[in-house]
Amino acid sequence: AQKITQTQPGMFVQEKEAVTLDCTYDTSDPSYGLFWYKQPSSGEMIFLIYQGSYDQQNATEGRYSLNFQKARKSANLVISASQLGDSAMYFCAMRDLSGNTGKLIFGQGTTLQVKP
Amino acid sequence: SQTIHQWPATLVQPVGSPLSLECTVEGTSNPNLYWYRQAAGRGLQLLFYSVGIGQISSEVPQNLSASRPQDRQFILSSKKLLLSDSGFYLCAWMWGTRVTGELFFGEGSRLTVL
Repeated sequence: AQKITQTQPGMFVQEKEAVTLDCTYDTSDPSYGLFWYKQPSSGEMIFLIYQGSYDQQNATEGRYSLNFQKARKSANLVISASQLGDSAMYFCAMRDLSGNTGKLIFGQGTTLQVKP
Repeated sequence: SQTIHQWPATLVQPVGSPLSLECTVEGTSNPNLYWYRQAAGRGLQLLFYSVGIGQISSEVPQNLSASRPQDRQFILSSKKLLLSDSGFYLCAWMWGTRVTGELFFGEGSRLTVL
């Protein structure tokens, strides 16, 4: 069965510094997709970045990048130049490829607080 | 452009009362639809998904049910709420392919059962 693990319940970072949020996954499928979402205190889930298992390069989207280490089964999110608005909960997720559902399996999340 | 809405945003209900949360998607057809629940400070647990009208799959045994009466409408229901049904409920639809498509979420419905 597929599994996503986020071992950092909470993180602090100083404004303008970079921060790495950890995510490890477990799957026996050779083809899979990994996602990161941001959840501000308002509760909405905002899609940030996607990494495919066959992608040759690490995904990047603006200040977000994904440090994808396939052999270690890790997909850490790196946020550069943190801003106060980055304070939120962050979820790593994996696409479950069994059946034809497209469903995502989520980790427990990491709460990030950016200090001014 | 595609949008997803769910309501009500906040709900306080007594134990034993019924529940109906509604979700609609605009700007797309035949989307995969999902209901997730999030306990306070926790991750998201998939409750139901639907790949088409009238097609509902349940992920976990529970006190809730789901229905999809129209292509872009997804409803979460309960006949009698339990305290353990409290949580934040999120509806989502999938954009893109089965492997790469991200989920887009509604605004969420916060349910408190007293």
